[in-house]
Parts: sequence; structure tokens; C-alpha cells
Amino acid sequence: KAGVTQTPRYLIKTRGQQVTLSCSPISGHRSVSWYQQTPGQGLQFLFEYFSETQRNKGNFPGRFSGRQFSNSRSEMNVSTLELGDSALYLCASSLAFGDRRRLGYEQYFGPGTRLTVT
Amino acid sequence: AQSVAQPEDQVNVAEGNPLTVKCTYSVSGNPYLFWYVQYPNRGLQFLLKYITGDNLVKGSYGFEAEFNKSQTSFHLKKPSALVSDSALYFCAVRARNYGGSQGNLIFGKGTKLSVKP
Repeated sequence: KAGVTQTPRYLIKTRGQQVTLSCSPISGHRSVSWYQQTPGQGLQFLFEYFSETQRNKGNFPGRFSGRQFSNSRSEMNVSTLELGDSALYLCASSLAFGDRRRLGYEQYFGPGTRLTVT
Repeated sequence: AQSVAQPEDQVNVAEGNPLTVKCTYSVSGNPYLFWYVQYPNRGLQFLLKYITGDNLVKGSYGFEAEFNKSQTSFHLKKPSALVSDSALYFCAVRARNYGGSQGNLIFGKGTKLSVKP
């Protein structure tokens, strides 16, 4: 099976612009999560989608949003970019969501999108 | 609140020696614990997990981890380190949402492993 794919891999934007990142999960995986990775804050959870619905949300401002399509592909959007949004954005997919018996399912990560805001 | 701590920012090991990367956790209820590795400019790769059962869990690339409930630890180990093991290692715990459903992963800050020839 192909792994999680993310596009683009690298992106340079200017403050105030907006950006859309894309993620295609592993075939058959219906849960998609997004994480932000920075040297200072480490890995922080942004949000998780399952069946086209946002199920969990981390502690990020409303400028960060996302969506999931019927084929499980997901996009995240960041509006009004700030310098502090420069980070590696990681997408992860998993088999299941919403079932306490499946808490053990691991997440598989894509290579990430490196966003630089100037 | 659920959390994960990796007390060492960096671990240095000589090739061929055993290695240990430490992780402690704080969760309510049974823990679901994971180790991931990240190579430069790459995403995270799943190494192993503890859900239930044997306290010693074996994973990819010869790594194993020991779950210790009394010490709330989940240390990553390998009997003989390789230079190619040099990377950033993350311990994570599965958060639980209201009602106990699957939640997001909560990561430690990461430990940089450096294996010298």
C-alpha cells in the first residue's frame, strides 16, 4: 500500500497570505489527523477528521481550519499567516476512530509540508 | 491531564553498545503508548506500541520497549546500537476523549539519539 502523501512538500508564503495543505491517507484509513511541529513547541495536535466531520480539535486559533472529503482526503487551511506559523505540518492516518476498543491503532504519518512564512 | 515526558534531550551511545531512551507518562486509566522515530526532513515512523499484555514489546529495526506500570515508564531499548539509528525519537500516549473514545496522540518533546562509530 502507498503511504500517507502530503502536498506540497515545501511552501514559502508571506505574512498575511493564506495557505492550503493537502493530505491523502493510506487506502482504507478513514481517520486523518494534523499536527504542527516546531523546534520550540514540539509536536502539537491541530485537529482530527473522520467521516468528513471534525472530531477533535487542538488548542489553535480559528485561523487554522480543515476539512475532509468523502474519499478521506483532507486539507488544512491557515489564513492570515504569521511568522510563528512557520513549521512542519504533519498529516497522519489511522484505521479507526470513535471506538474505545480501537485505542491501540497506531497513526501513520506522511513526510510533512515544510511551511516558511516570511 | 495526560502527558508524556522525555527527560533527556540527547542520548549519546557508541556503536555496538546498548541504548535506552527514557519516557514517563501520566494518564487516567489504562495507557496506550507508542514510540516513533523521525529522520531528518522526514515524517514520523511508527516503531512499536504497548496496548496490553507482555510488558516487553518488540518493534521494528530491533527496538523494544519495556512497560513499567508502577514507575509509569515506557523506555525504548536496543541491545546493540547502529550509527543508522541516529535520529529523533518520540514517545506518545493516546489521549482519551470524553466517553473514552480514541483521541489524538500526545507527544513528548523528543530525544535526539546520536550513535558514534
